[in-house]
Amino acid sequence: DAMVIQNPRYQVTQFGKPVTLSCSQTLNHNVMYWYQQKSSQAPKLLFHYYDKDFNNEADTPDNFQSRRPNTSFCFLDIRSPGLGDAAMYLCATRGTPGQGPETQYFGPGTRLLVL
Amino acid sequence: QKEVEQNSGPLSVPEGAIASLNCTYSDRGSQSFFWYRQYSGKSPELIMFIYSNGDKEDGRFTAQLNKASQYVSLLIRDSQPSDSATYLCAVRESTDSWGKFQFGAGTQVVVTP
Repeated sequence: DAMVIQNPRYQVTQFGKPVTLSCSQTLNHNVMYWYQQKSSQAPKLLFHYYDKDFNNEADTPDNFQSRRPNTSFCFLDIRSPGLGDAAMYLCATRGTPGQGPETQYFGPGTRLLVL
Repeated sequence: QKEVEQNSGPLSVPEGAIASLNCTYSDRGSQSFFWYRQYSGKSPELIMFIYSNGDKEDGRFTAQLNKASQYVSLLIRDSQPSDSATYLCAVRESTDSWGKFQFGAGTQVVVTP
């Protein structure tokens, strides 16, 4: 059963046109994460939530925003996408105690293409 | 700056052989370590986690941890073509209460028939 669901799987946008990526989780966990991953690079943490308490990394560009309206859903907004924002965007949550409570489980990702 | 280092590869392994992947980390206080497998174009998939020094086995996979040397490794026994992927090492930051991970850039493994 899918634990972390991301939509859409592929997103094409135009340079400068705002785009929103969505994530939902079925585990009802209070922690969620957004990562950006470019080809052959490590996933880079953009934002993380504990309930609605929100924290963005110091080097997350201002062009990126995030919202979490409830426990299950989380959104990543890119206000003015540039060519350098083309990447895989990964949403993650924590595992259940039996799965290793500190583990992070990823959704399938959204591949963003900027034209 | 906390860092996690992995050889990028590709690591070429004959089918049926053992693949050995290494990872070093700089955060001396880290206590939790993770290995993820990532197929091309897909998201990372958790393979194993290890918290204590020594070996931890799960099927064909064995994780090895040496905190004194700040070193964690992954062995894949009886390698199969389906094991061809990039393997990411992740370390939970010791000074962060949010459970943040530092990831390595991954080692690409290619299993040849």
